[in-house]
Amino acid sequence: EDQVTQSPEALRLQEGESSSLNCSYTVSGLRGLFWYRQDPGKGPEFLFTLYSAGEEKEKERLKATLTKKESFLHITAPKPEDSATYLCAVQAVNNAGNMLTFGGGTRLMVKP
Amino acid sequence: GAGVSQTPSNKVTEKGKYVELRCDPISGHTALYWYRQSLGQGPEFLIYFQGTGAADDSGLPNDRFFAVRPEGSVSTLKIQRTERGDSAVYLCASSLGPSNEQYFGPGTRLTVT
Repeated sequence: EDQVTQSPEALRLQEGESSSLNCSYTVSGLRGLFWYRQDPGKGPEFLFTLYSAGEEKEKERLKATLTKKESFLHITAPKPEDSATYLCAVQAVNNAGNMLTFGGGTRLMVKP
Repeated sequence: GAGVSQTPSNKVTEKGKYVELRCDPISGHTALYWYRQSLGQGPEFLIYFQGTGAADDSGLPNDRFFAVRPEGSVSTLKIQRTERGDSAVYLCASSLGPSNEQYFGPGTRLTVT
């Protein structure tokens, strides 16, 4: 069974204080690992897809990296507007439904 | 362009009633998914459509839940004899193809009293 665990559950940062969010996964053949951002009362917003170990992708202050067992979302010099819940999900190769299996998310709060 | 839309945004119903939730995917997206999200948790898969057919409904919790996509575009999630445990946010997502990234709608918050 595919599993995704995210840590920490919640993270408080001061504006400008860089940090990383962790996503550990077990999957029977990884097709892709996805990062989403979710603001309160809204649907998840797509950020990145990573396909193979060693791959990295960047967008503004965010950088996602992937190993064979985990992914990290690095946040450099965060701003208050980066406050949100960040969700990690995996899609398995042998998954006829092409569904995403999500972790519980990391709730990030950035204080000015 | 327009994203995934869902209606209604909020639905309050009494235990035992029937509800329908609608999803309008991004134009041209052939794959459509329904997920359910409880407070403080990540979304959980319910059902996947490729075109008009349900390719995988393994996430539907029981036979009170049913979904259709008759013309390969708009989809409706139907819940019969609602229970308080059905209260959650129901999310719809669509993708260009089954291996592409999924784009989510804003969700329908269902409350069963």
